[in-house]
Amino acid sequence: DSGVTQTPKHLITATGQRVTLRCSPRSGDLSVYWYQQSLDQGLQFLIQYYNGEERAKGNILERFSAQQFPDLHSELNLSSLELGDSALYFCASNLQGRDTEAFFGQGTRLTVV
Amino acid sequence: AQRVTQPEKLLSVFKGAPVELKCNYSYSGSPELFWYVQYSRQRLQLLLRHISRESIKGFTADLNKGETSFHLKKPFAQEEDSAMYYCALWMDSSYKLIFGSGTRLLVRP
Repeated sequence: DSGVTQTPKHLITATGQRVTLRCSPRSGDLSVYWYQQSLDQGLQFLIQYYNGEERAKGNILERFSAQQFPDLHSELNLSSLELGDSALYFCASNLQGRDTEAFFGQGTRLTVV
Repeated sequence: AQRVTQPEKLLSVFKGAPVELKCNYSYSGSPELFWYVQYSRQRLQLLLRHISRESIKGFTADLNKGETSFHLKKPFAQEEDSAMYYCALWMDSSYKLIFGSGTRLLVRP
């Protein structure tokens, strides 16, 4: 167990809908990363938060947004969902958002129908 | 553009054979490189990082800045090494940790 918790584990929703994915980092970790893994794709970096502030942004669509709350948990909001958004969404955390080991959650599998 | 390339989607070897999983990166700064592994039904976890220069589970990886590579090697593969392996690059200039597309290693008995 890495200590990173993601909920829900599975999510099925219809096109056009909006969903929220939640991530609780390891105790004490200030940084949270979000990744998208589509079929046959690697982990695509979406965004990093550090201590409540956005620190780095990857190829995150405008329909997607995220935030990190004062208790350091993070949420990834996906709106106007399309079939192509179906993927595994991973959250990872580490202490300072630097070049130290990142600890991953089990992921949330999103299926858009 | 910064990226990590793992050219092989699948690498299949017999038990006891040597293994080399390729990773090339593109980054103008000073790279920090990692190998992460995902065993079946488990989370992604760190295998090793170049800065520590360790050998983990018999695996080693050497950073070659001239060839911009960080290949993962093991002299004698074991069946329990079968997993998905991801090469990752930490970019200090932009606070991004990016991953390659992964290589599935299959070690056959």
